[in-house]
Amino acid sequence: GAVVSQHPSRVICKSGTSVKIECRSLDFQATTMFWYRQFPKQSLMLMATSNEGSKATYEQGVEKDKFLINHASLTLSTLTVTSAHPEDSSFYICSALPEGAGEKLFFGSGTQLSVL
Amino acid sequence: LAKTTQPISMDSYEGQEVNITCSHNNIATNDYITWYQQFPSQGPRFIIQGYKTKVTNEVASLFIPADRKSSTLSLPRVSLSDTAVYYCLVGDMWAGNNRKLIWGLGTSLAVNP
Repeated sequence: GAVVSQHPSRVICKSGTSVKIECRSLDFQATTMFWYRQFPKQSLMLMATSNEGSKATYEQGVEKDKFLINHASLTLSTLTVTSAHPEDSSFYICSALPEGAGEKLFFGSGTQLSVL
Repeated sequence: LAKTTQPISMDSYEGQEVNITCSHNNIATNDYITWYQQFPSQGPRFIIQGYKTKVTNEVASLFIPADRKSSTLSLPRVSLSDTAVYYCLVGDMWAGNNRKLIWGLGTSLAVNP
């Protein structure tokens, strides 16, 4: 099956710093990638839809200036959490949608962000 | 966007068959039904997808009645490693690149020795 690689798996940073998370589709091209956030024992919340070569579409309530998404190629999307604060601590997950896969999303392994 | 309803949690024992039912009364004609599995601190993993009747793969079966208002994920002979959260989602595979899937709380399955 398709493989989505997400790095880093865990990051601890100081409040006020920025953190970049990478999401790569290793064996397929993905024109669309999705970024989710998940708090403990809660479901996945879609943050934004990343489209290659165009601006990301953010969900209501998600600050686009705080969560910068770049999808510069068909195999890479990045999420940058700018000026991170403790309330941004969460599990961030990306997913990619191969062409022709229907609703079969392939997910990265997630990134646990802890902001001190 | 169709909303889904699943039991919050289920308990089972090793070797048993587990059936998790999901209700999706407002499913649309173009919607497919997809199930994912998620272990703690990992991204979800695709299990199975179907449109109607029955679908079977190497890990599970998916039963969908004629009215498609519900679906049942069947896990044969579960083991301890099947302890996870299982999500049922419905979505339109032809809705374009910006289609969204709404994730419910899923069903937390605990498999006991």
